[in-house]
Amino acid sequence: QVQLQESGPGLVKPSETLSLTCTVSGDFFTSYYWTWIRQPPGTGLEWIGYIDSSGRTNYNPSLKSRVTISVDTSKKQFSLNLTSVTAADTAVYYCAREVALTGPVDYWGQGTLVTVSS
Amino acid sequence: DIVMTQSPDSLAVSLGERATINCKSSQSVLSSSNYLAWYQQKPGQPPKLLIYWASTRESGVPDRFSGSGSGTDFTLTISSLQTEDVAVYYCQQYYSPLRTFGQGTRVEI
Repeated sequence: QVQLQESGPGLVKPSETLSLTCTVSGDFFTSYYWTWIRQPPGTGLEWIGYIDSSGRTNYNPSLKSRVTISVDTSKKQFSLNLTSVTAADTAVYYCAREVALTGPVDYWGQGTLVTVSS
Repeated sequence: DIVMTQSPDSLAVSLGERATINCKSSQSVLSSSNYLAWYQQKPGQPPKLLIYWASTRESGVPDRFSGSGSGTDFTLTISSLQTEDVAVYYCQQYYSPLRTFGQGTRVEI
């Protein structure tokens, strides 16, 4: 069974960088697309982007100038960096697995709330 | 961007009755298949995959959940609503490199 677990600070100051890591356990790591999705409080889901095990990335154009997703296959981890955050970046951040280059999200982490506030 | 629009935003259904949620995409998500998924999200939990390729039920999902539609118009049907089905439901397209979700539909008893 695949499990994903987000880790990182729950509070980030405005203009600083939000950094989260997702650790994957179980199953193969190299055959999938590793994804970040966020959900502002009380609202819907926004896809941030994904990375494959080779390091190829695909980002949401609305966030592309501020987002970097990286991967460490030896640790079965992938990470999200979001720069120059504002209060609008306050959200629950989910790491997840996409089945294929064109496939649904079949596994999700529990999510971690990141609040942007001074 | 492919915009996904769900209707209604919320609905209340009696126990044992049918619930129907619609999802419309701003452009076709049909290629070899329909690149459309449905997710269920309960309070305090991550979304859970219910349906993919518009009509394929994920393993372990009860058969009262079904998906239909093609091209730009899709439907999620819960044939006999149970208390554990109270949740927000989202459609998502994975046809475009920019994945997009509908705004969600809240289902209540």
